Amino acid sequence: EVQLVQSGAEVKKSGESLKISCKGSGYSFTSYWIGWVRQMPGKGLEWMGVIQPGDSDTRYSPSFQGQVTISADKFISTAYLQWSSLKASDTAMYYCARQRGGYAHDAFDIWGQGTMVIVSS
Amino acid sequence: EIVMTQSPATLSVSPGERATLSCRASQSVSSNLAWYQQKPGQAPRLLIYGASTRATGIPARFSGSGSGTEFTLTISSLQSEDFAVYYCQQETRGTFGQGTRLEIK
Repeated sequence: EVQLVQSGAEVKKSGESLKISCKGSGYSFTSYWIGWVRQMPGKGLEWMGVIQPGDSDTRYSPSFQGQVTISADKFISTAYLQWSSLKASDTAMYYCARQRGGYAHDAFDIWGQGTMVIVSS
Repeated sequence: EIVMTQSPATLSVSPGERATLSCRASQSVSSNLAWYQQKPGQAPRLLIYGASTRATGIPARFSGSGSGTEFTLTISSLQSEDFAVYYCQQETRGTFGQGTRLEIK
């Protein structure tokens, strides 16, 4: 079964760092780009960026460039999203998702279950 | 940056009836448009990609059309499980629309 399994919920304080993960299985991890999507409480979906796990080529939304870092470890089929200094406004559900077709820009066909991040001030 | 605008924000339709959801791009995205369904507490699910191709396992009552800047998602005969929030996404740069909530009339 093709799936993405994300790490568990996090409760952090403002200013702390955080790295959440997304592990792929059931397919060739390096053949597909992986993206991250933010959903703030009660709000819509926001595309944050994508990474090609094979060579770590990464593309960011202008809204998230410099705010987060997307990385991947192809040897353990895992993608990451990290913050160096969290803010209360980072409180949200974060989804990882696989881009279909193996292209840098495509629809997301497989989604992780989401990781809830709560940041208290 | 391409802005995606969905309308209406909320659509009330009776089960068995047809629902038509719209998505407009601020500039042409060709046929690079996807539709997703999201139910409460769940991750989004891909319905349509390339503006009109159903994703694997998606029922035939879901159909997508359009190109350039105007797109439509049609659900031909609403089932109880179809009431959810629907998002469009331009595939080229990833931007999502703000969503349409489809509710039971």
